Amino acid sequence: EAGVTQFPSHSVIEKGQTVTLRCDPISGHDNLYWYRRVMGKEIKFLLHFVKESKQDESGMPNNRFLAERTGGTYSTLKVQPAELEDSGVYFCASSQVRGSGGYTFGSGTRLTVV
Amino acid sequence: GIQVEQSPPDLILQEGANSTLRCNFSDSVNNLQWFHQNPWGQLINLFYIPSGTKQNGRLSATTVATERYSLLYISSSQTTDSGVYFCAVSRYTGGFKTIFGAGTRLFVKA
Repeated sequence: EAGVTQFPSHSVIEKGQTVTLRCDPISGHDNLYWYRRVMGKEIKFLLHFVKESKQDESGMPNNRFLAERTGGTYSTLKVQPAELEDSGVYFCASSQVRGSGGYTFGSGTRLTVV
Repeated sequence: GIQVEQSPPDLILQEGANSTLRCNFSDSVNNLQWFHQNPWGQLINLFYIPSGTKQNGRLSATTVATERYSLLYISSSQTTDSGVYFCAVSRYTGGFKTIFGAGTRLFVKA
């Protein structure tokens, strides 16, 4: 089966611009998660979708970040406007019901804000 | 919430050497995974191992769930093993939220 796909793999934008990251989960995985690792720190949870509904968005840092999952398939994470501290690697993961069997992570999107 | 501690934080090896990375977690978990983040930032699944022992080539992992720790063994290390190794755990509490350790940064010298 195809894995979790993220694109772009790398994005360089200027401070104040908008960037949209996309994640295509494994087909049939209702659970989709966003994580990020910024400034070489720990990988932190951002939010969790179950199908198209936000189950937990407690990790979203502020209102400059907007995640959507229309139709319960792919998801987008928009950063608007981007700040320097948003630079890092953004990961998406998906899992089957209740995460049993583990999570499959995408390769990540490296975001650089200059 | 669950705390995940990894050790050592940094490790430098000569190519061909063996190493053991450790992950301690503070509470019972349903899932435990080991990941390798390569120098390009990509996160690679290594093992899904909530308990027991698994092996994949030069890598193997053991989780002792009752004692809340997991070990990742790297044998005959190669320069391509360099990167950061993360342990990640999760427990179902109405939803799953994976908690990552801070990682072990490994550098393998040629």
